[in-house]
Amino acid sequence: GENVEQHPSTLSVQEGDSAVIKCTYSDSASNYFPWYKQELGKRPQLIIDIRSNVGEKKDQRIAVTLNKTAKHFSLHITETQPEDSAVYFCAAHTNAGKSTFGDGTTLTVKP
Amino acid sequence: DAGVIQSPRHEVTEMGQEVTLRCKPISGHDYLFWYRQTMMRGLELLIYFNNNVPIDDSGMPEDRFSAKMPNASFSTLKIQPSEPRDSAVYFCASSPDRGSAPAGELFFGEGSRLTVL
Repeated sequence: GENVEQHPSTLSVQEGDSAVIKCTYSDSASNYFPWYKQELGKRPQLIIDIRSNVGEKKDQRIAVTLNKTAKHFSLHITETQPEDSAVYFCAAHTNAGKSTFGDGTTLTVKP
Repeated sequence: DAGVIQSPRHEVTEMGQEVTLRCKPISGHDYLFWYRQTMMRGLELLIYFNNNVPIDDSGMPEDRFSAKMPNASFSTLKIQPSEPRDSAVYFCASSPDRGSAPAGELFFGEGSRLTVL
């Protein structure tokens, strides 16, 4: 089955700095790679996603890159703000309908 | 739409008792997923359904866990008998089906926090 590894497990940055979270996956059939943000005590919510036919996608301060050959994808957050503090999960999804999640990264943005 | 609705939000029970968690997916979504979240194991997929049919239950920990989806608007996850190690937040999520493959994005409910004493 699919295996998703996510690094780092914790990340602390100063407000205004950039944050990068990286994930690798094992199943070459995976074709959809979402990122979810989970605030304390809340549900995970989709913040950005990328499909396998695209190498990069950007939405304001958030961007995701995908390298299918190397089987890795990354989340980039620029100009971080305290409200970006949360746990971020990457996932890899196949046409079979199943999403496998990474273990999560706890991001802390210090004011 | 109200989103994915789960109940109860919190459940405290004693070891050996039966627990039933409920989920109403977003109308029109063809996929329904049950996840369990703990600090130690992260987000684990327990089972998922497509058009009310269980597709993959390989994540269900053991026979004490069972899930049903009798119709497109309702699913249950049952634990009988419950044990302290079942304590976790259980999320239900639904996803639309777009053409020949599922869209992939998951819409999570608010979760059911289960504590087994």
